[in-house]
Amino acid sequence: AQTVTQSQPEMSVQEAETVTLSCTYDTSESDYYLFWYKQPPSRQMILVIRQEAYKQQNATENRFSVNFQKAAKSFSLKISDSQLGDAAMYFCAYRTIQGAQKLVFGQGTRLTINP
Amino acid sequence: DVKVTQSSRYLVKRTGEKVFLECVQDMDHENMFWYRQDPGLGLRLIYFSYDVKMKEKGDIPEGYSVSREKKERFSLILESASTNQTSMYLCASIISGGGYNEQFFGPGTRLTVL
Repeated sequence: AQTVTQSQPEMSVQEAETVTLSCTYDTSESDYYLFWYKQPPSRQMILVIRQEAYKQQNATENRFSVNFQKAAKSFSLKISDSQLGDAAMYFCAYRTIQGAQKLVFGQGTRLTINP
Repeated sequence: DVKVTQSSRYLVKRTGEKVFLECVQDMDHENMFWYRQDPGLGLRLIYFSYDVKMKEKGDIPEGYSVSREKKERFSLILESASTNQTSMYLCASIISGGGYNEQFFGPGTRLTVL
């Protein structure tokens, strides 16, 4: 079974600075999908960014980018120019290519933005 | 926009009560999921459904059951609520067919069992 580990329960960053959230996973599959989801306080979980394992190029979405290291099974999220609205719980998630489209989540990282 | 709604944001029940959590999605998605969110544990899959009247157990199905009589609605049932089921419950849906698609989540129901 696949597992996802986020080793940083909490992180904080100054507004306008850059922060990196870590995620590692364990799988025996060669193809899969990886996601970062954001859960703002008392608000709905939303997708931040996604990566296909067979694509070597790291995904980017505006201020959000990932560092995908397939051999190391690492999938970190970098947030540039942090904004107050980035404060949230961030979850890393894994999904297999085949079968049910269920997600396997990490423990989450609570990100605080300091003004 | 895809919308996933859950019947209650907050719910307080007593031990032994039967509890129904309702989830509705409006985008004709085939697959629907119930997750439980606890601090330090992330989200864990309770049950999922890939079609009407079809269901499969997730990682932590004990103490729960589900019902999917209509495509848009997926219900989570706690047959006899216990204090260890106090948690945040999240519903999600996704179109079938695999691929790069994202799951869309509801706002969550925070259940307290006294």
